[in-house]
Amino acid sequence: GAGVSQSPSNKVTEKGKDVELRCDPISGHTALYWYRQSLGQGLEFLIYFQGNSAPDKSGLPSDRFSAERTGGSVSTLTIQRTQQEDSAVYLCASSSRTSGSGYNEQFFGPGTRLTVL
Amino acid sequence: AQKITQTQPGMFVQEKEAVTLDCTYDTSDPSYGLFWYKQPSSGEMIFLIYQGSYDQQNATEGRYSLNFQKARKSANLVISASQLGDSAMYFCAMREGAAEYGNKLVFGAGTILRVKS
Repeated sequence: GAGVSQSPSNKVTEKGKDVELRCDPISGHTALYWYRQSLGQGLEFLIYFQGNSAPDKSGLPSDRFSAERTGGSVSTLTIQRTQQEDSAVYLCASSSRTSGSGYNEQFFGPGTRLTVL
Repeated sequence: AQKITQTQPGMFVQEKEAVTLDCTYDTSDPSYGLFWYKQPSSGEMIFLIYQGSYDQQNATEGRYSLNFQKARKSANLVISASQLGDSAMYFCAMREGAAEYGNKLVFGAGTILRVKS
């Protein structure tokens, strides 16, 4: 398909376990973003990739959270030693880099719903 | 201070009528962009409309228009001729800085819109 895809769509894990969430952006999109949507905090930015580098990691809530992107395409968000407060929907978005015009619209994936028991 | 404020947690509108969803923003950056996204119960984030800080005219996209009042720092979404399918959560978001830098989006808390038949 042509859109952003994420897997798994749902993930239930036990407290203390590690989880990996995957995002496959739109082909050719150089920018990739992770956001988290939870009832208490709304939609929060986590990290931004331009190519394989992450110039903005300011939204990662703790050192238990990490992300990488390889080949300028697929990204993986890893949460170590999950806690119940990590329960949320994790959204990935991608966009194409513009140069002085356009608005760099972000296209969102369907999200991964993470539940930590 | 909140960067994006949506003061209406929920709104009702009669089918075929117009509705305005409020959004105010706060930034000192002269270059910014304002976005509206729709999130139906399915969870996907759907881009609706964009307004750049240097745009002279209000943005329009079909039944959606953005009432941009720069001096008041407001970017209200107007939906004309509401349809039952417009029932969803609506988010206002801001990108600070120029588009080509792929900056993150900061989201408001959202407004739930219910269209009545």
